[in-house]
Amino acid sequence: DTGVSQDPRHKITKRGQNVTFRCDPISEHNRLYWYRQTLGQGPEFLTYFQNEAQLEKSRLLSDRFSAERPKGSFSTLEIQRTEQGDSAMYLCASSLPGDSLYGYTFGSGTRLTVV
Amino acid sequence: DQQVKQNSPSLSVQEGRISILNCDYTNSMFDYFLWYKKYPAEGPTFLISISSIKDKNEDGRFTVFLNKSAKHLSLHIVPSQPGDSAVYFCAASEGSGGYQKVTFGTGTKLQVIP
Repeated sequence: DTGVSQDPRHKITKRGQNVTFRCDPISEHNRLYWYRQTLGQGPEFLTYFQNEAQLEKSRLLSDRFSAERPKGSFSTLEIQRTEQGDSAMYLCASSLPGDSLYGYTFGSGTRLTVV
Repeated sequence: DQQVKQNSPSLSVQEGRISILNCDYTNSMFDYFLWYKKYPAEGPTFLISISSIKDKNEDGRFTVFLNKSAKHLSLHIVPSQPGDSAVYFCAASEGSGGYQKVTFGTGTKLQVIP
């Protein structure tokens, strides 16, 4: 297992288009998280999955954002009708229960640019 | 509401000297504190953590100190090496619906000068 994989690494899209990102967590990790990072800021929590259940969503996650984790394996994050303010690095992370002292394992992120 | 604050956006240190990165928090419900390191074009990588019931944790060149009464923690790197140059994020977690929800600070960019 090579860690958390995210695809694509970069995405440039025109305003108003829909985009979808994929995250493949570490296979034995049942917990999966999406974060967003903008320039000069730390990662901000978007949503959390335990297995296939989406258990928490941030207020940052507008109706244009939707995330899924079918079968509790990979996850997708879709942004509909993209806006310039959506430009950011989207980070996926995974962990096991009881990993409080060991942190999350992050992927390298998907950098979204909306033009 | 920024619950985890890193007030120094950047820090430059000479190779071999000590690097001290600081972090303040406001939420007394945080029970674990973590430091992550991030290189450009990569995701954050976990570095070291500390439970709220301890005041110090050491791992090689890295030591984290926690002062709960001041709601302050710091990361010491001794001796600093050029490969330590990166952005360091302070993070804190609290139990939320059966999992630990992690909140990050804004980061401090460390430059270690050879």
